[in-house]
Amino acid sequence: DTAVSQTPKYLVTQMGNDKSIKCEQNLGHDTMYWYKQDSKKFLKIMFSYNNKELIINETVPNRFSPKSPDKAHLNLHINSLELGDSAVYFCASSLGLREQFFGPGTRLTVL
Amino acid sequence: SQQGEEDPQALSIQEGENATMNCSYKTSINNLQWYRQNSGRGLVHLILIRSNEREKHSGRLRVTLDTSKKSSSLLITASRAADTASYFCATDASSARQLTFGSGTQLTVLP
Repeated sequence: DTAVSQTPKYLVTQMGNDKSIKCEQNLGHDTMYWYKQDSKKFLKIMFSYNNKELIINETVPNRFSPKSPDKAHLNLHINSLELGDSAVYFCASSLGLREQFFGPGTRLTVL
Repeated sequence: SQQGEEDPQALSIQEGENATMNCSYKTSINNLQWYRQNSGRGLVHLILIRSNEREKHSGRLRVTLDTSKKSSSLLITASRAADTASYFCATDASSARQLTFGSGTQLTVLP
């Protein structure tokens, strides 16, 4: 059984489009995250969210917005995609600030 | 700026040798975690060491923490080709509510 799943695995799209990446965890965790990993493997936290609080990294453009329909899901919506948005996006979850469980990643390519 | 910085950036060793990776950080922490990332995959949690611990073992992994120097090391003994991956440290800073990842060490174990 997959603990943290993301869809799609690959996403190729044109500049200016709007896209969403979905994430689901079946671990019963209370906190979920979105990370961006660039071509140099630098991993940057974008958002962390539990049912009480959304913490946004202040460097994340407001074109990015997390949407959580329930505790097991945290989707990432991106408006007006730009070339610099090309990266691998990882979803993760945890119970409090303990170990995080990562999804397999979504490789986004903006043309 | 990065909370955690790994050293070296890349390490290449022969199978059977030991591999040591270092992580330095800047602020006070609650705990420090190490993760492994195989190529094209999500991160996998390896070990967590709390700020009041100095050393921790898990199988062939040994982690040390020196809070006075704000540094940690990860030792992999008797390395195997399957240990080839990127290794990241992540800190749970006392003032923050999320992990901050370092820049990673790319370990290559040659058969």
